[in-house]
Amino acid sequence: DTGVSQNPRHKITKRGQNVTFRCDPISEHNRLYWYRQTLGQGPEFLTYFQNEAQLEKSRLLSDRFSAERPKGSFSTLEIQRTEQGDSAMYLCASSNQETQYFGPGTRLLVL
Amino acid sequence: QKEVEQDPGPLSVPEGAIVSLNCTYSNSAFQYFMWYRQYSRKGPELLMYTYSSGNKEDGRFTAQVDKSSKYISLFIRDSQPSDSATYLCAMSGTNTGNQFYFGTGTSLTVIP
Repeated sequence: DTGVSQNPRHKITKRGQNVTFRCDPISEHNRLYWYRQTLGQGPEFLTYFQNEAQLEKSRLLSDRFSAERPKGSFSTLEIQRTEQGDSAMYLCASSNQETQYFGPGTRLLVL
Repeated sequence: QKEVEQDPGPLSVPEGAIVSLNCTYSNSAFQYFMWYRQYSRKGPELLMYTYSSGNKEDGRFTAQVDKSSKYISLFIRDSQPSDSATYLCAMSGTNTGNQFYFGTGTSLTVIP
């Protein structure tokens, strides 16, 4: 399978805990995006990488959120001190500039 | 004003009907237009991609872009129950900062 993969697919955590999600993009794509999606809404941009460089971050990305793409391949998104409002689907997408291909998402539930 | 506007629905049609889904946008710099299908609790799946104005057909699906009116459409012919999903429009341009802009999605149910 040469599509975008994300792990884990589901995560349940207690408020205050840290969580980390992983995204493996399509290998020939150098652009990688993270989004958050809540019920009834479209994907909400969080951050964007071109190769290993993080080029843009949304104002929504508080200091509890950090993302890395150390070798320009896979990426991780970490949320520290999770809050109930962080409960959402976290989507990763890789891009060839003209369009995007999404992974299956990681569904986070913060209790 | 949002960059991309999309009627959230819900839209309910009988099997076999022609479905029309639409988005409007405000940024004339958008050049790439996409439609995604998203089943419940799954990631969005790229359905159609169009560059600039015009029509593109793929099986039962037709995407139309009218840049002069800043309006895009997705038509589904002979709709099937398996088409029941949320449809998201998205767009970008070479001068829009490498970002993709999404509608909120239209929920479609095709009734057998």
